[in-house]
Amino acid sequence: DAGVTQSPTHLIKTRGQQVTLRCSPKSGHDTVSWYQQALGQGPQFIFQYYEEEERQRGNFPDRFSGHQFPNYSSELNVNALWLGDSALYLCASSAPGLAVTGELFFGEGSRLTVL
Amino acid sequence: AQSVTQPDIHITVSEGASLELRCNYSYGATPYLFWYVQSPGQGLQLLLKYFSGDTLVQGIKGFEAEFKRSQSSFNLRKPSVHWSDAAEYFCAVAPMDSSYKLIFGSGTRLLVRP
Repeated sequence: DAGVTQSPTHLIKTRGQQVTLRCSPKSGHDTVSWYQQALGQGPQFIFQYYEEEERQRGNFPDRFSGHQFPNYSSELNVNALWLGDSALYLCASSAPGLAVTGELFFGEGSRLTVL
Repeated sequence: AQSVTQPDIHITVSEGASLELRCNYSYGATPYLFWYVQSPGQGLQLLLKYFSGDTLVQGIKGFEAEFKRSQSSFNLRKPSVHWSDAAEYFCAVAPMDSSYKLIFGSGTRLLVRP
């Protein structure tokens, strides 16, 4: 049983560019959350998608947007990249009914470096 | 504002010694409480969780945590540490009125001496 898979694992962008990160949730899971983990910090909640809609959003600007597809996979898009966006981006999925209790399964993350 | 504090950035223990990692939270009511572990090259893994009831909860890999309402704490313990326990440990809360998101502490890095 494949867990949460993310791609790409590493990528380098320059300031002003745009990036798309992808996530496939664990089999049977319908909710996807995205977190940003800066170096030496704990993960910070970006947003959560359920039934192809953004259900809740953290304190991130509109440059961060997302999408959930009918197969429950998800994308995170970041526009107008700046140096401070360099971080590990974590995708987490949860099973039906468990998203409200915070029981999450995390992928290994996509490490973004902005130069 | 809701917050989670892990006061120890690094902790070093000898293999076989006991371990306690501290976590304090700031929130008006009792939230859901979690401990996650992050090993190099791996995603975060749930160790244990507290929702209600017995304040001593057991988790995977021999870990346990105790919820103390009076101290707003949820400390993680293990009686005998193994070298494979070396990792980063995160305490997290999910507020009951906004439980779709987790609020994480800044983490404690555990080093294990042979």
